[in-house]
Amino acid sequence: AQTVTQSQPEMSVQEAETVTLSCTYDTSESNYYLFWYKQPPSRQMILVIRQEAYKQQNATENRFSVNFQKAAKSFSLKISDSQLGDTAMYFCAFIPGGSQGNLIFGKGTKLSVKP
Amino acid sequence: EAQVTQNPRYLITVTGKKLTVTCSQNMNHEYMSWYRQDPGLGLRQIYYSMNVEVTDKGDVPEGYKVSRKEKRNFPLILESPSPNQTSLYFCASSSSLGQGASGYTFGSGTRLTVV
Repeated sequence: AQTVTQSQPEMSVQEAETVTLSCTYDTSESNYYLFWYKQPPSRQMILVIRQEAYKQQNATENRFSVNFQKAAKSFSLKISDSQLGDTAMYFCAFIPGGSQGNLIFGKGTKLSVKP
Repeated sequence: EAQVTQNPRYLITVTGKKLTVTCSQNMNHEYMSWYRQDPGLGLRQIYYSMNVEVTDKGDVPEGYKVSRKEKRNFPLILESPSPNQTSLYFCASSSSLGQGASGYTFGSGTRLTVV
């Protein structure tokens, strides 16, 4: 079975500091896509960043970047210069390249940014 | 504005009373899906649809029905709701089947309580 594991149910960080959220996944596929979604208290699901497995270069979106280690099946999210608005649930998600579109989610990490 | 619209946002109902949660997207997406979100479990797929008149079960389909008569609409039907279906429900759509090129666009969620 293909699974996504987020081992940190909750984390906290001081404003302006850097925090890294962990994610590992299990698959036998060679082609797939990985995502981080943010869910603020408004509960809207917001795409933060995506990574294609066949691209070795780590994706970056402003203050958000990933550390993609394909051999280790690891996909961590780094948030630099944390802001109060980054307080949210963060979900790691995976979609196999040959699937019928089933996005598989981890259980989430609740991040609190403290002033 | 490109979006997925779910209604209602909040719903309280009684056990056994049939209900429908509507979902509509204006992006001409082929793929649509329903998820439920429960604390500590992340998001789990209920049903998905690859196109009009093509639907299939996800990981937790018991107690739910769907239909896809038009490309833009994908309603979720609970024929006889039970308290264990109390959850936060999300509809999502995507334009890239099995490729994850664009990720999913999510609706705003429906908080359902069954008493």
